[in-house]
Formats: sequence, structure tokens, C-alpha cells
Amino acid sequence: AQSVTQLGSHVSVSEGALVLLRCNYSSSVPPYLFWYVQYPNQGLQLLLKYTTGATLVKGINGFEAEFKKSETSFHLTKPSAHMSDAAEYFCAVSDSGGFKTIFGAGTRLFVKA
Amino acid sequence: EAGVTQFPSHSVIEKGQTVTLRCDPISGHDNLYWYRRVMGKEIKFLLHFVKESKQDESGMPNNRFLAERTGGTYSTLKVQPAELEDSGVYFCASSQETLQFFGPGTRLTVL
Repeated sequence: AQSVTQLGSHVSVSEGALVLLRCNYSSSVPPYLFWYVQYPNQGLQLLLKYTTGATLVKGINGFEAEFKKSETSFHLTKPSAHMSDAAEYFCAVSDSGGFKTIFGAGTRLFVKA
Repeated sequence: EAGVTQFPSHSVIEKGQTVTLRCDPISGHDNLYWYRRVMGKEIKFLLHFVKESKQDESGMPNNRFLAERTGGTYSTLKVQPAELEDSGVYFCASSQETLQFFGPGTRLTVL
């Protein structure tokens, strides 16, 4: 069965600092991997996704993630945090059909001025 | 283009009552999904429609939950009777292929 573990329910960084949100997954088949963001009172918005090909995936708003099969990880990074990045972030995995999606518990990112 | 919409945005009901949540997917999207997030936990898959057919309902918690998608357009999720543990945020998503677009969710509170 597929599962996702996000390390840290809360992460706090200073504005301009590196953002690193950790995600590990388990999957018996080559996975599709996703990062979603949820801003207050809004739906989930896709940041980026990995399906096949290049393991470093670039997404919106300056975020990127690297698929590391050997470590079963898909950590999300951004070189310089902005106040507007404060939100909750979800890592997710689905099977190759991309239908049923399994989510991690979420990481809430706080950005300090 | 309109996104996925959900109604109501909030619902507060008493234990034992019935509640119906509605989801309008993006026009033309054959795939429609329901997910639920219970207080502070992960978002869990409930079921997946392809047009009007249930493709996968493995996440439905019990028979108090009934999902329909008549005509392959909007979908409803009925909880009858509601229990305290049903409280949470119910998300709907739709897709044409693999990329799912999510609605803002319905926050359900059962007292």
C-alpha cells in the first residue's frame, strides 16, 4: 500500500531563508508524486508533480522538488522564503493511473519577518 | 474557466441529522473525486467517479455515506445519519486526465 510521511507538522523560517519541507513515500509501483499548497479558505493548488523523466521538478512560485528513488524522498525546497509562502503544504502520491491520491498529514509553513 | 465549486462552504448539524454536500466539477472533466480531512490529519481519499460510474469507492468509511453523480455532471455526498466523527473538511476534485483540480472544501461540523 502506498503511504506518505511528512516530517514536521510545523516549519518556521525567516523571510529570505531556505525553505525545506520533507516528504518520504512508500509505493510498490513507480509513483506519481505531488506537492500541493493550501492557502487559508482556498482549495488545494498544485505546486508541482513528478511522473517520469527528470528527477528535479520545478514548480510555481519558485518551488522545486527532487525525486530520489534510493531514499524514497520527494523534498520540497525554495531558496528564499517570502511572507506570501505561509500556507499548508501537502505531499501526495498516486499510482501510475494518477487517480486515487494518498496525502501526507501536511506541513504548515510559517514565515517570519 | 470556472474551477471546482462546492456547496455549502460550511455546515453545522447535530448528531443524527442528514447533510448533503454538493460538488460541481470543471466542465468536461469526466473524473470526480471526494476526499476528507478529519481534524489535523491527512487528507483521505473517499471515492472516484468516472462520469456517472463509481470507479473506486474503497475509501468510503461506512454505509452512512452515499455518493451520487447523476448524469455525470455534479456530485452529491450524503451523510445519514451524521456522527461526531464525521466532522472535518470534505474536498472535491475533478480531472480530465491525471491532474486533479480541487475545490475549496466544505467544512462539516457535527455537534
